[in-house]
Amino acid sequence: KNEVEQSPQNLTAQEGEFITINCSYSVGISALHWLQQHPGGGIVSLFMLSSGKKKHGRLIATINIQEKHSSLHITASHPRDSAVYICAASPSGSRLTFGEGTQLTVNP
Amino acid sequence: DTGVSQNPRHKITKRGQNVTFRCDPISEHNRLYWYRQTLGQGPEFLTYFQNEAQLEKSRLLSDRFSAERPKGSFSTLEIQRTEQGDSAMYLCASSSRVKNTEAFFGQGTRLTVV
Repeated sequence: KNEVEQSPQNLTAQEGEFITINCSYSVGISALHWLQQHPGGGIVSLFMLSSGKKKHGRLIATINIQEKHSSLHITASHPRDSAVYICAASPSGSRLTFGEGTQLTVNP
Repeated sequence: DTGVSQNPRHKITKRGQNVTFRCDPISEHNRLYWYRQTLGQGPEFLTYFQNEAQLEKSRLLSDRFSAERPKGSFSTLEIQRTEQGDSAMYLCASSSRVKNTEAFFGQGTRLTVV
């Protein structure tokens, strides 16, 4: 069992739909990260959170420390949101342990 | 500062050759990480520096792999006697322990061993 698991692995949505990607982790963490990776490899950090909820534009990330679960929500999805979304746990505040990613495709 | 810079972006090499990649982190970041990502998988941790000290190495990092960060600034990752299984995206990231920032990633170096 991976230390960080994401679901679903693949997600296809129509433009405008509300999207949720889930992440469960089995290690103790100091922070949980949500990252976005576009074709070509570049990774962008979306959120780093250790409790509660954060919002940036149409993106919302939540975390439940007791349940060791986090979710990434995208409201009013757009084709430009199509990317791989990766959840990563930071057990000791240093290196990241990554989930396998969720491939999101938003169709116009 | 334009972020984390990795060079080269792409490298094609013949099996058995040595390759070296470079990572220039964000200047005030004292932590630097190397990760490897194969197709369809999430990145895997390779090694981590705090300033010039290499604090942690994954068991994935065989004897053919070595990383350095002289003077605590840029870092190099060398792979000796490359194998086809080394083909992957090599990602570098940096963060600030003092400011507890999230990790900022470079664009990666895609290695293809033929």
